[in-house]
Amino acid sequence: DIQMTQSPSTLSASVGDRVTITCRASQSISSWLAWYQQKPGKAPKLLIYKASSLESGVPSRFSGSGSGTEFTLTISSLQPDDFATYYCQQYNSSWTFGQGTKVEIK
Amino acid sequence: EVQLVESGGGLVQPGGSLRLSCAASGFTFSSYSMNWVRQAPGKGLEWVSYISSSSSTIYYADSVKGRFTISRDNAKNSLYLQMNSLRDEDTAVYYCARGQNTVTTDFDYWGQGTLVTVSS
Repeated sequence: DIQMTQSPSTLSASVGDRVTITCRASQSISSWLAWYQQKPGKAPKLLIYKASSLESGVPSRFSGSGSGTEFTLTISSLQPDDFATYYCQQYNSSWTFGQGTKVEIK
Repeated sequence: EVQLVESGGGLVQPGGSLRLSCAASGFTFSSYSMNWVRQAPGKGLEWVSYISSSSSTIYYADSVKGRFTISRDNAKNSLYLQMNSLRDEDTAVYYCARGQNTVTTDFDYWGQGTLVTVSS
């Protein structure tokens, strides 16, 4: 089974900050990686698919990069609506999520 | 507008059964794969099961294999999850999520979830 490890688990940041979240796969997953945003009591929302493709309707301040085993999600200028938990997901072999990264207000 | 609406959650005793449903609208249901994903209280996301558009391919997480059965009715635009031999650790919000018509798929739309509580 492919394991996904996100870092950090919690991130404290201010509005306007550039934020980067890392996701590592236990083996190569090519570019079969997605990023989701989840707010309390709500369903996850797809942000990025195939490692770097922006889902329709998602603000351009979100970007993804990486391939193989190391991936990053970057928020170029953090907005108040972006405080949430972010999950990576591999879909190269079955489906596995990272443990999540909570982005908190500093 | 794509909509996925889950139902059927509730309180059930350990060893009991429950059937979840997911009603889909706003897209051609028969052209997309579907999934169940769960989230235990305060925890992360766990994929549970996948079914292809024609029901020809089905996968389960090891944690539910042999106890849960996924199915769909394309005529009724509905997805189901039959859950038997439920355990305390199955307590979670269960989401249905749409995938593309391929196994290497992300999940682009999610329902609001239905809570399953397994407790005596």
